[in-house]
Amino acid sequence: DAKTTQPPSMDCAEGRAANLPCNHSTISGNEYVYWYRQIHSQGPQYIIHGLKNNETNEMASLIITEDRKSSTLILPHATLRDTAVYYCIVRLNRDDKIIFGKGTRLHILP
Amino acid sequence: EAGVVQSPRYKIIEKKQPVAFWCNPISGHNTLYWYRQNLGQGPELLIRYENEEAVDDSQLPKDRFSAERLKGVDSTLKIQPAELGDSAVYLCASRRTSGGAPEQYFGPGTRLTVT
Repeated sequence: DAKTTQPPSMDCAEGRAANLPCNHSTISGNEYVYWYRQIHSQGPQYIIHGLKNNETNEMASLIITEDRKSSTLILPHATLRDTAVYYCIVRLNRDDKIIFGKGTRLHILP
Repeated sequence: EAGVVQSPRYKIIEKKQPVAFWCNPISGHNTLYWYRQNLGQGPELLIRYENEEAVDDSQLPKDRFSAERLKGVDSTLKIQPAELGDSAVYLCASRRTSGGAPEQYFGPGTRLTVT
């Protein structure tokens, strides 16, 4: 079973920041938080991951709370192409199995 | 760099018929995965290969599913016979394990409909 809880769907206006929450209250000290997204009719795509510190790359930012029980994925300027299902996953490392939940369906509104 | 290639993209078969899916991973990626994704759900791992060896097939229904990766490159996933409940998208992914490897790269999937 997935070890994360995400809202089933969210809306965001185009050009605004999309903030996707994830709860992972049972995360262990050596588990990372990973985010993937799946655009319609495509396979999942890696976005970002982190352990304790906040992370940023060209796609998104990841904010992890100090107690590590929750995190937020931030898409700073959402576009229509960001419409997708976003999966929050906890795993030990790149070699660990990815267990997907149902994710959050993000709708970007024009 | 070409991505993970899967074929066919769509397949419709009647129940009890056999079906096969093909995957060509990204060049140089020694790890290959097959996932199944049911409607409205996230993907679930069926099998993982390291080169030609299946290192995790615990979720593969072995009574009707089989997979092979004979030369450690392309892979085939087969279902025989197919059942109505096998209708799903079958995803292939690959990864280069060594050298600070990046994440898994997924193909577009094969959408199977069993009637």
